[in-house]
Amino acid sequence: GAGVSQSPSNKVTEKGKDVELRCDPISGHTALYWYRQSLGQGLEFLIYFQGNSAPDKSGLPSDRFSAERTGGSVSTLTIQRTQQEDSAVYLCASSLLYRADEQFFGPGTRLTVL
Amino acid sequence: EDQVTQSPEALRLQEGESSSLNCSYTVSGLRGLFWYRQDPGKGPEFLFTLYSAGEEKEKERLKATLTKKESFLHITAPKPEDSATYLCAVQTQGGSEKLVFGKGTKLTVNP
Repeated sequence: GAGVSQSPSNKVTEKGKDVELRCDPISGHTALYWYRQSLGQGLEFLIYFQGNSAPDKSGLPSDRFSAERTGGSVSTLTIQRTQQEDSAVYLCASSLLYRADEQFFGPGTRLTVL
Repeated sequence: EDQVTQSPEALRLQEGESSSLNCSYTVSGLRGLFWYRQDPGKGPEFLFTLYSAGEEKEKERLKATLTKKESFLHITAPKPEDSATYLCAVQTQGGSEKLVFGKGTKLTVNP
């Protein structure tokens, strides 16, 4: 079946612009996670959505970052007033509820802020 | 603070030369330890989950083991197609569903 998809695959933007990154999880997966992978760094947890519960936003680095999940499926990660340090690969993963041990990852969106 | 440290950062092997990757962790309580493989330009691909000290899992040329402080990913007689970055992650006690990742080990297997 279809895996996790993300769009766009690459995004180049200018400093100060807003960007939106999209994630389509695997059908039936009620948990969705966003991570950031900077050059030379490990995956950094940003936020996760778990069914209809309030999302865990503890990993968001600043209030310029926000995410929403509409209809329990597609998720959008928004970065406002982008900075050069936001340049990274943004990865989305999904899993069945309470099955973080079986996360399936998308291919990521490479964000470059000039 | 929960921490995961992987070593070495990079490893070059000749085809057939067995070796091990290390993942050491410091966590308040371990729910699970995970190994992923990541190819360039792709998302991580799940390999193994280990839950308790002494547990071992195998898949083809890979074998993962777990102690109370670290995990090893043993690669037996590697092939060039095993070249990738191997990531280790932990899930901690306390009800959180998030994973804490190490920085990875980039493995290159030369023919």
